[in-house]
Amino acid sequence: NAGVTQTPKFRVLKTGQSMTLLCAQDMNHEYMYWYRQDPGMGLRLIHYSVGEGTTAKGEVPDGYNVSRLKKQNFLLGLESAAPSQTSVYFCASKSGDRADEQYFGPGTRLTVT
Amino acid sequence: RKEVEQDPGPFNVPEGATVAFNCTYSNSASQSFFWYRQDCRKEPKLLMSVYSSGNEDGRFTAQLNRASQYISLLIRDSKLSDSATYLCVLSSGSARQLTFGSGTQLTVLP
Repeated sequence: NAGVTQTPKFRVLKTGQSMTLLCAQDMNHEYMYWYRQDPGMGLRLIHYSVGEGTTAKGEVPDGYNVSRLKKQNFLLGLESAAPSQTSVYFCASKSGDRADEQYFGPGTRLTVT
Repeated sequence: RKEVEQDPGPFNVPEGATVAFNCTYSNSASQSFFWYRQDCRKEPKLLMSVYSSGNEDGRFTAQLNRASQYISLLIRDSKLSDSATYLCVLSSGSARQLTFGSGTQLTVLP
């Protein structure tokens, strides 16, 4: 089991460019989440999904879009990157609504110049 | 006011010391409570869940006081490997979304 994997690990973008971050899990988990973590701050929820084909907004969704076309994958898109989106992005998954533990991927470090 | 407040530290303690972290939260509808550990530039990992009755896992003891909306973590006999940032986390909402504190940094010194 690879657990939760994220692609890419690092990326530098110019302002206005677009990109997609990929999260994949091989644990057959229903729920998946995208977070961002800025220096000296806790993780903040961007978007989440409770199952294939469903998505919902979290605390800081502006500037991001997501898709969950397959149960194992959760994509995070930045249509027009801004320097304020420089952050570390973590994906997580858990098995169902009664499960407590979320399993995190290793993170993607994104810099927008 | 932040939903989850933690003392950011840093806490610098010698090996073998006992150290305590505190956390307060504002959402009284929170369902579950956790301590996560995050090593430098790594992903958070679950350290332990926190229950009102108090729970212990080896050298780690966690306590929840729902009336005061207060969570604590006690680490006894600190090891060098305990050096990390400790995140106070609670879950709420239909998807049990997690809300994170900003973390308390611990360095255990030889």
